[in-house]
Amino acid sequence: DAKTTQPTSMDCAEGRAANLPCNHSTISGNEYVYWYRQIHSQGPQYIIHGLKNNETNEMASLIITEDRKSSTLILPHATLRDTAVYYCIVRVEGNQGGKLIFGQGTELSVKP
Amino acid sequence: DVKVTQSSRYLVKRTGEKVFLECVQDMDHENMFWYRQDPGLGLRLIYFSYDVKMKEKGDIPEGYSVSREKKERFSLILESASTNQTSMYLCASSSPGKGREKLFFGSGTQLSVL
Repeated sequence: DAKTTQPTSMDCAEGRAANLPCNHSTISGNEYVYWYRQIHSQGPQYIIHGLKNNETNEMASLIITEDRKSSTLILPHATLRDTAVYYCIVRVEGNQGGKLIFGQGTELSVKP
Repeated sequence: DVKVTQSSRYLVKRTGEKVFLECVQDMDHENMFWYRQDPGLGLRLIYFSYDVKMKEKGDIPEGYSVSREKKERFSLILESASTNQTSMYLCASSSPGKGREKLFFGSGTQLSVL
């Protein structure tokens, strides 16, 4: 699976958009980009994933560059409850799935 | 919503004890996983199972075993607990097929081995 690089930490003002970058310059054609987050003292929570098209769901939007070497997770209107560690994971969708490798992630602090 | 329930939120055990960590999921998922999480090391996969009675080693299986007698339940066993097994243990489940990398996690068990 391709390696990802994320900033260690970021701040965002409450109500503003939070844009979390992820670099995955060695991604291969069949690798998906997954985002999870982990709120303090809880298990990780799936947010969104995509292959090459931009994706949006009720939690966030995922923008993947045309060359697929980087992506951005967007939380359109960040709230204090979005304070968490955000993990970007690149992975081939395995036959059965689930053996994800979680790196260090980005610690997002949403401030009033 | 999918629910993955871990039996204990906090657990304190003594060195050498046999420890059972239980995990139950209610969405009929075939796949179940055990991770441990340590500061600076992220989440590491211990064992996983794709079916009842089936188990496979993850990246750090030493000192652990697992049991999957029923589809909804996946147990992690520390045969003889040691202090270096003090950690947060996270159970997850998923369904094969489309979206099979979408894991659902429990809230975790913080195990302290004294």
